[in-house]
Amino acid sequence: IVLTQSPDFQSVTPKEKVTITCRASQSIGTSLHWYQQKPDQSPKLLINYASQSFSGVPSRFSGGGSGTDFTLTINSLEAEDAATYYCHQTNSLPWTFGQGTKVEIK
Amino acid sequence: EVHLVESGGGLVQPGGSLRLSCAASGFTFSGYPMNWVRQAPGKGLEWVSYISSRSGAIDYADPVKGRFTMSRDNSKNSLYLQMNSLRVEDSAVYYCARGAAGGDYMDVWGKGTTVTVSS
Repeated sequence: IVLTQSPDFQSVTPKEKVTITCRASQSIGTSLHWYQQKPDQSPKLLINYASQSFSGVPSRFSGGGSGTDFTLTINSLEAEDAATYYCHQTNSLPWTFGQGTKVEIK
Repeated sequence: EVHLVESGGGLVQPGGSLRLSCAASGFTFSGYPMNWVRQAPGKGLEWVSYISSRSGAIDYADPVKGRFTMSRDNSKNSLYLQMNSLRVEDSAVYYCARGAAGGDYMDVWGKGTTVTVSS
């Protein structure tokens, strides 16, 4: 299953809203998860099963969607949110990741 | 606190072998599935392999199938990845990641160990 994220890159001012989309090449139900990776760090889980916020994740991060189309929304972006965001599907093996969306702070 | 610490990375020639280890602490290791995920320099994440909590199920990504072997020793709270017939394209940071209890996503990641395959 191929996951295609858009955009590849986004430059955003603080407090702005960010929306990243992830499209699956076939229906995956809600077996879609989102990770944040900051430079020189390992990935961190943000959202599991499309819309469930992982423990400790700030409430400005939210996810939605099902089937083939999913979104990650960051409400009121903060400077610490500069990172690359990846979607990941576990509907069927081999598990796959999207190519990533880099979010830069203006 | 939950910790995963990878080790065993290094520089190896094409065709060579390497064994990665991942030491787990802070949780009941035997109760969780585990994964290896890699990231080539400047590239995205790529799932490599999965092992169920008691090694009953093991799966691999096609690029490593037949060359890599994943295993675990629950008595030692350790995860392994035996990598044989290494290729230049296997060069990456290799992360071990815990599979969530009751779910397929990866909820805890180690800091990674770097594998460089070069002559």
